[in-house]
Parts: sequence; C-alpha cells; structure tokens
Amino acid sequence: DVKVTQSSRYLVKRTGEKVFLECVQDMDHENMFWYRQDPGLGLRLIYFSYDVKMKEKGDIPEGYSVSREKKERFSLILESASTNQTSMYLCASEGGEREGSSTDTQYFGPGTRLTVL
Amino acid sequence: GQNIDQPTEMTATEGAIVQINCTYQTSGFNGLFWYQQHAGEAPTFLSYNVLDGLEEKGRFSSFLSRSKGYSYLLLKELQMKDSASYLCAVPDSNYQLIWGAGTKLIIKP
Repeated sequence: DVKVTQSSRYLVKRTGEKVFLECVQDMDHENMFWYRQDPGLGLRLIYFSYDVKMKEKGDIPEGYSVSREKKERFSLILESASTNQTSMYLCASEGGEREGSSTDTQYFGPGTRLTVL
Repeated sequence: GQNIDQPTEMTATEGAIVQINCTYQTSGFNGLFWYQQHAGEAPTFLSYNVLDGLEEKGRFSSFLSRSKGYSYLLLKELQMKDSASYLCAVPDSNYQLIWGAGTKLIIKP
C-alpha cells in the first residue's frame, strides 16, 4: 500500500512566522502535490512537482513556496504566515499505474490542519 | 473555463441506495475520479472512469456519460460508515485535477 505521511496533524502558528509542512511518500512516485482544502471549496492546488528539484505553481501559489530535494520528500513553506492561510493542507503523491495514461490515482497524506493566529 | 458541480449535501437511510451526481465542463477529457473523504481524514480513491457506462465495484458503482458531461456515484446497501464527503475530480488540459467541492452524505438509521 502507498503510504504518504505528513509531519503534523495539527499546527498552531502566529502571524508572520515561517512554517514548514513536510510530506514523505514511500512508493517512489515522481509526482507530488500540495493542496489546501477549505469548507465549501474543492481542493485547490498550491504547488506540484514532477521530479526532484522541479516545481510548478498551481492555482494559488501566492504566499507559499516548496522544496523537493529528494524524490520521496516534498515540503511546503509559508514564508510569513497570515490568518488567511488557516486551512487544511493535504499532500498527495501520484504514480504511473495506468499504462499509457497521463492520469493516475493520487494518494493523500492525513492532512495538516494549520491555524494561524 | 473548467467547472465541476455536485450537490452540497445529501441524506439517505441505512440500507437504502443513493446516487450522487457530478456535472463537469472541461476542455478535453482525460477521465473522471471519485474519492471518499471521512471527516477529518484524507481523501481516498474510489473509482476512475474514462469510458461511457457503468463500472461496478462491490456496493459502489460509478457511471459516466462523456457526451453529457455527467457522472454519478451509486452507493447500495448503505452503511453508517458510508457517511462521508464524496469528491468528484477531472483532469484539466494539463492533467492537473480540478476538484468539485464535494457532497456530504449523511446516513440516518
């Protein structure tokens, strides 16, 4: 079974703090994603990565950055946390399961519920 | 643009059948996913449809009509543990998933 882990389930930070959210997957997947999930909205893509040291902006990258130094690890960084970044953050990894397809199943970590005070 | 619509909330009775609908608008089509998400937990994969028709997987079935931009998830013999949100998602032209806001399913005894 694919396992995706995230460093914290719950996190409370103060406005202006730098926040690191870590995500690790154990399936040698190349693709990894960071989403945030807010009530009444679908998952929104923040950043994604198709390979080590590679990163691409998603739909809402402002206020965030990412790091992918190793294939299994994808970190999300809030440079200066703000109250509007209070949210559930979900990491996902995706592998090449469907031969000939560009679309594969995403496997999610348990999520980090971040509160910024 | 790209858009996914699904009902916000549905209620059903234990043992019954429920159908959760999803309509989508995308440029191009690369399949449709259904995920289940229990409260406070991560989404987990349920099904993937790329061809028209019904795909059955135990108590859960998923239907797709590409010409109508429509899918539904059918849950039979509902159990209390089926209380969850059900998320519909389709890849965009760059193969990034566009997610619906989810349908919260409440099961009553």
